[in-house]
Amino acid sequence: NAGVTQTPKFQVLKTGQSMTLQCAQDMNHNSMYWYRQDPGMGLRLIYYSASEGTTDKGEVPNGYNVSRLNKREFSLRLESAAPSQTSVYFCASSETSGRHYEQYFGPGTRLTVT
Amino acid sequence: KNQVEQSPQSLIILEGKNCTLQCNYTVSPFSNLRWYKQDTGRGPVSLTIMTFSENTKSNGRYTATLDADTKQSSLHITASQLSDSASYICVVSPYSATNKLIFGTGTLLAVQP
Repeated sequence: NAGVTQTPKFQVLKTGQSMTLQCAQDMNHNSMYWYRQDPGMGLRLIYYSASEGTTDKGEVPNGYNVSRLNKREFSLRLESAAPSQTSVYFCASSETSGRHYEQYFGPGTRLTVT
Repeated sequence: KNQVEQSPQSLIILEGKNCTLQCNYTVSPFSNLRWYKQDTGRGPVSLTIMTFSENTKSNGRYTATLDADTKQSSLHITASQLSDSASYICVVSPYSATNKLIFGTGTLLAVQP
């Protein structure tokens, strides 16, 4: 099992460009999440999908959109990148969104917006 | 405001020594408290998950404790190894929003030979 995979690993964008970060999991999990991690701050939830066909906003959703393509895949789109979106992005999945279910994280995508 | 604060920010210890990392939180009520290990350039990996009714949980050389009355948790690492060098993150799951985990900023541990 590969677990949670993310592509690309690194990306440099110019302000105003768009891109989609891809995430896939092979653990048959129902719930998937997108986080960003910035220096000196804890991980912050951008969007999550409790189950296939549903998505909800997290703490910092502005400037992002998501698509739960199927049970395996959950993508994050930046329509018009801004320097403030320079960050490391992590995708995670869990069996369900219930109280004590462990979240499994991908390796991250390091994004720089110039 | 729900917060999770960790101390120290960073720590250097010699291989073979023990250490204890601290976590204070204001999240209340909460569902569970988690500790994650994050190696440089990698995603976080779960070490322990404790419900509000548990006092301690172990995972090999890692032992987490929880005092819900004082809203404090600690992670004790025994007989440290070079591979323990990483950031250790305390995370609290609010009872009313279990999807929306609240992450601390982590303690960066360096184990030196």
